[in-house]
Amino acid sequence: DVKVTQSSRYLVKRTGEKVFLECVQDMDHENMFWYRQDPGLGLRLIYFSYDVKMKEKGDIPEGYSVSREKKERFSLILESASTNQTSMYLCASSHQGALQTFGSGTRLTVV
Amino acid sequence: AQSVTQPDIHITVSEGASLELRCNYSYGATPYLFWYVQSPGQGLQLLLKYFSGDTLVQGIKGFEAEFKRSQSSFNLRKPSVHWSDAAEYFCAVNSGGSNYKLTFGKGTLLTVNP
Repeated sequence: DVKVTQSSRYLVKRTGEKVFLECVQDMDHENMFWYRQDPGLGLRLIYFSYDVKMKEKGDIPEGYSVSREKKERFSLILESASTNQTSMYLCASSHQGALQTFGSGTRLTVV
Repeated sequence: AQSVTQPDIHITVSEGASLELRCNYSYGATPYLFWYVQSPGQGLQLLLKYFSGDTLVQGIKGFEAEFKRSQSSFNLRKPSVHWSDAAEYFCAVNSGGSNYKLTFGKGTLLTVNP
């Protein structure tokens, strides 16, 4: 089975800090995705990547950037964390299609 | 643009009762359709998917879903709910082709009473 691993389950950061959320997949998938999940809003796509060094904005990219230097790793970066970025962040990957496999999530609290 | 509506925010059923979670989508052609389940504090697990063919699809944990083109629906069903089914359920749609993105509904939270 594909495994998608998010390095941290819980993070607490201060306002203004630069935050890195890491995601690694072990099945050579081309596509990787970052979502945020908030109560009542479902999952919203922040960014996705379809190849190394390639990225596209999702529905809510403001305040975020991403990095994909290696195929297996996709990082989400909060350049200057704000309290409205407190959320659950989910990473996913897929192989040439829509069937996505998700990690367990990182719950980020910005204080 | 594709969209997904899950009309029920929260559903409560008794253990052993049948379950139907509703999902309606908006898309011009036949989309790819998915149901995911999320237990508290966890990521999403795929329950089942529809790409083409038989409109009644079977998934894991005894779930099934039926694609109805005329109603733009993809409702999830289970004949007898177990307490361990308590979770949040998400319907998702993809337009297929080279578009890899999923659009998710806002989710339905299922509570199971003993």
